[in-house]
Amino acid sequence: DQQVKQNSPSLSVQEGRISILNCDYTNSMFDYFLWYKKYPAEGPTFLISISSIKDKNEDGRFTVFLNKSAKHLSLHIVPSQPGDSAVYFCAARMDSSYKLIFGSGTRLLVRP
Amino acid sequence: KAGVTQTPRYLIKTRGQQVTLSCSPISGHRSVSWYQQTPGQGLQFLFEYFSETQRNKGNFPGRFSGRQFSNSRSEMNVSTLELGDSALYLCASSFSGGATGELFFGEGSRLTVL
Repeated sequence: DQQVKQNSPSLSVQEGRISILNCDYTNSMFDYFLWYKKYPAEGPTFLISISSIKDKNEDGRFTVFLNKSAKHLSLHIVPSQPGDSAVYFCAARMDSSYKLIFGSGTRLLVRP
Repeated sequence: KAGVTQTPRYLIKTRGQQVTLSCSPISGHRSVSWYQQTPGQGLQFLFEYFSETQRNKGNFPGRFSGRQFSNSRSEMNVSTLELGDSALYLCASSFSGGATGELFFGEGSRLTVL
């Protein structure tokens, strides 16, 4: 039972355009949602998070939107840069569970 | 500030053997988590330790075990290795388990089982 799903395994966008990565979840008990970025041969690095009590969080070029009624969140990257090319993982945390549940990842390619 | 350090980075084992992986968390971090990454499966939670106590465990067989030492360093062990255990094993640390869920990951130990 996959509680966090990233249905698009890959995404290709032109440099300067917007990248939108999507994530769906099934468990309404999740209290925090996070995005991690992973380059080959490196561990995932934290990008941005959002509490379940908010619907938007912004950090520079990165914005995460949360739609609780649809159990959907998305990561917007504007403008996209070639250095953003990586695998992006969506993750969710259930209150006090001390673990993150990850999606399967979306590979983003930003073309120069 | 040094990051999370995992050793070894790469290793090859044969079926039936056992393996021990090591993780040194960021200084001051007391929570250590382990995740398994396989192609197409994302990261699967193995277990989490805080102050030498396992607080949570994922859905893995008993062949997967771990422990944490008083200096917060952690080890995980996989016994009777199977081909399906080939994966990248990631260790992550945080100060208390992450009030907001944020974890700091190491580069991982890539295990190949032949």
